[in-house]
Amino acid sequence: QVQLVQSGAEVKKPGASVKVSCKTSGYTFSSYVISWVRQAPGQGLEWMAWISPYSGATHYAQRFQGRVTMTIDTSTTTAYMELRNLTSDDTAVYYCARGGTGEYSTILDVWGRGTTVTVSS
Amino acid sequence: QSALTQPPSASGSPGQSVTISCSGTSRDIGGYNYVSWYQQHPGKAPKLMVYEVSKRPSGVPDRFSGSKSGYTASLTVSGLQAEDEADYYCSSYAGSNKSLFGGGTKLTVL
Repeated sequence: QVQLVQSGAEVKKPGASVKVSCKTSGYTFSSYVISWVRQAPGQGLEWMAWISPYSGATHYAQRFQGRVTMTIDTSTTTAYMELRNLTSDDTAVYYCARGGTGEYSTILDVWGRGTTVTVSS
Repeated sequence: QSALTQPPSASGSPGQSVTISCSGTSRDIGGYNYVSWYQQHPGKAPKLMVYEVSKRPSGVPDRFSGSKSGYTASLTVSGLQAEDEADYYCSSYAGSNKSLFGGGTKLTVL
């Protein structure tokens, strides 16, 4: 079955970086984009960005541009999201999800279980 | 861009129907027929319930239906069941390969 398995929880200090992985299986990796969505404690969902394993194209929400880098490893069908210069406002659960490009980026049909990132001094 | 606007809470008794609204602008909901709805139970990942305004993924009960009028999209849950109690989020395409989420609505089954 289609699965997205994310890396474990992270605790980081302000100013540091975090890299979250999303290992996919059960489908053709290049046929769907991987989107990243985060959820701060007690808050709603926030779309961050997506990357296409097929073309390498990326698109970012404006507020994350310059601070987020997404990469893919096609040999292991794994996507990565690195967030730099962390502040306490980045404390959240980070989800990867399978989706499409353009208008279809709103259709996230399979989600990982989430990775908790805590930023604390 | 600002998040889409949802009421913070909604409620209904078992068997009743409840509708959750999601308001946007001409640059998102009003400009595209790409609105999705997600259900999220506490501590769990979101689940796609409706996409492209009114389509349901395989396995989602037909008690869940979506619609759109102008700049507002709606999710209606008919025949409320206890397991429908969850947070619901709308999402819309906003052009230039970007997406927006609503702030979420907590649905309580009384």
